[in-house]
Amino acid sequence: TQLLEQSPQFLSIQEGENLTVYCNSSSVFSSLQWYRQEPGEGPVLLVTVVTGGEVKKLKRLTFQFGDARKDSSLHITAAQPGDTGLYLCAGDPANSGYALNFGKGTSLLVTP
Amino acid sequence: DVKVTQSSRYLVKRTGEKVFLECVQDMDHENMFWYRQDPGLGLRLIYFSYDVKMKEKGDIPEGYSVSREKKERFSLILESASTNQTSMYLCASRWTVNTEAFFGQGTRLTVV
Repeated sequence: TQLLEQSPQFLSIQEGENLTVYCNSSSVFSSLQWYRQEPGEGPVLLVTVVTGGEVKKLKRLTFQFGDARKDSSLHITAAQPGDTGLYLCAGDPANSGYALNFGKGTSLLVTP
Repeated sequence: DVKVTQSSRYLVKRTGEKVFLECVQDMDHENMFWYRQDPGLGLRLIYFSYDVKMKEKGDIPEGYSVSREKKERFSLILESASTNQTSMYLCASRWTVNTEAFFGQGTRLTVV
């Protein structure tokens, strides 16, 4: 399994602050995905990035895929309490099978 | 609405019992997966299946087996449940690489 290192593991911020979550690996991935998980539920896809250097925006969330396709970041602008949850990065290893490798997750708490 | 459904949200079983966790998807996906999720360890792949009756071991297959007799159904079997198998179990399915993985709501299993 090709490891994905996610940081930070925990993040507690106030409403209106900005934050960035990182997902790093020494291996190349054909794509990286970000999922969000609410307590007691399964993860739900936020975005897939496929091309090295790609930047995708989803309202206040900005996702970036590194040029070498080994890392990704998630930036949230002006966080809101509704952003609270567990954020997971997941990757499809290049030249490998169909199973996603997951990072350990970043638990985000946004307080009013 | 696409759906992955796990048969139970909560289960309590005794040590040594044989436990069956069922998962059904309605998207005609070839690929199905079983992960377990533990605090601080993220999602770890137990087994996956890329076709009916086909299966491959993931990162932590010991103590588990799987069955896929029909395309839409993927079962996880704990041959003899132990307390260290207390965890959240997540089933997922997806079409192919670089595509979204759809997750069930999870089964929280407690082995006493």
